[in-house]
Amino acid sequence: EVQLVESGGGLVQPGGSLRLSCAASGFTFSSYWLSWVRQAPGKGLEWVANIKQDGSEKYYVDSVKGRFTISRDNAKNSLYLQMNSLRAEDTAVYYCARESGYYGEGIDYWGQGTLVTVSS
Amino acid sequence: QPVLTQSSSASASLGSSVKLTCTLSSGHSSYFITWHQQQPGKAPRYLMKLEGSGSYNKGSGVPDRFSGSSSGADRYLTISNLQSEDEADYYCETWDTYTRVFGGGTKLTVL
Repeated sequence: EVQLVESGGGLVQPGGSLRLSCAASGFTFSSYWLSWVRQAPGKGLEWVANIKQDGSEKYYVDSVKGRFTISRDNAKNSLYLQMNSLRAEDTAVYYCARESGYYGEGIDYWGQGTLVTVSS
Repeated sequence: QPVLTQSSSASASLGSSVKLTCTLSSGHSSYFITWHQQQPGKAPRYLMKLEGSGSYNKGSGVPDRFSGSSSGADRYLTISNLQSEDEADYYCETWDTYTRVFGGGTKLTVL
């Protein structure tokens, strides 16, 4: 059974940093693109970033470029999101997600999410 | 990059059928999409991948009541024999080389 379990969320002050983790199991982790997707309170889904199987390609939504860094450790079956210079508008539930197919062809599994609150 | 447009809300009666629409932007009418369901207070759940031909592949455990179809730039999710647990937000997603995009979501109310 595919499982994605996020951790690391919490309350952080504006300008602060946080590192999210996602522990994966039930599939060959190194064979899939992975994404982070967020959802602000009462809003829709927003794709944040994704990373290729070997970490050689990474893409970001414009609003987080230069502030967030996605990474992965295939030996540990883990995905990460380093978030720096956090803003109030980054407040959201952050979901780890697996993308299907070799080229990353749509999300086919979701984690349960971790809440990040940016507030003073 | 592609843009996905969804109606903000829809409603239908218990036991009836409903067809939700996701429209791809100009120049992207051949794109595949995926449909996801988000029940209140829960994480999203993958429902299916749908291509421009109308062919679709559903996720594990998705009931037969859920089906997909396509026409031009429109991608549809049809839910038959509506149940109370189908009351949820439904999102479509698409992708290209450098980005992934979600539609704004449709809130489905089961009357």
